[in-house]
Amino acid sequence: DAGITQSPRHKVTETGTPVTLRCHQTENHRYMYWYRQDPGHGLRLIHYSYGVKDTDKGEVSDGYSVSRSKTEDFLLTLESATSSQTSVYFCAISEARGNSGNTIYFGEGSWLTVV
Amino acid sequence: DAKTTQPNSMESNEEEPVHLPCNHSTISGTDYIHWYRQLPSQGPEYVIHGLTSNVNNRMASLAIAEDRKSSTLILHRATLRDAAVYYCILIQGAQKLVFGQGTRLTINP
Repeated sequence: DAGITQSPRHKVTETGTPVTLRCHQTENHRYMYWYRQDPGHGLRLIHYSYGVKDTDKGEVSDGYSVSRSKTEDFLLTLESATSSQTSVYFCAISEARGNSGNTIYFGEGSWLTVV
Repeated sequence: DAKTTQPNSMESNEEEPVHLPCNHSTISGTDYIHWYRQLPSQGPEYVIHGLTSNVNNRMASLAIAEDRKSSTLILHRATLRDAAVYYCILIQGAQKLVFGQGTRLTINP
């Protein structure tokens, strides 16, 4: 199993409070991703990173920010949580290997409830 | 981003083969075809990938059309543990990785 740890795994927070989810990897992979998953929507990309301090927006980035100050950590922040951000959040990592494509490894997920 | 199209759901019986289709008509020459599956309450996991030739591993087989505009994931003898959502995704080096909704596979005992 790829060394990916998400924290916290479960969190209940109140509307309007800031929340930070952490993804930590021990694989030294260059690329890291944050997805959210809601019923009927599959996996939707929030933000991704292609290196330290290099990040870009995904499909559903509004209301979220990210930071990557070290290769191993990718933080997802909800500046002011809303009920629509209640979801399961998955972190993923990959390493570019041009001759075989990336294999993506996912974390176990973080269940966030905003009340 | 190259997109894929999969049926929303499929159903099969235990110990029978399952063929999960994926259409990717806008695939480029350097896109790899990857399949992942997600069991309930877990993160997705890698199943198999290929470029042009058919591929086999311990979990499944991948059949790729000659024009590469479609592919089929084959589970040779489905078990109840194969019930999951299966995602087909095109990957070309490092890029923004966008998943579709996948196919929810139900296995009947």
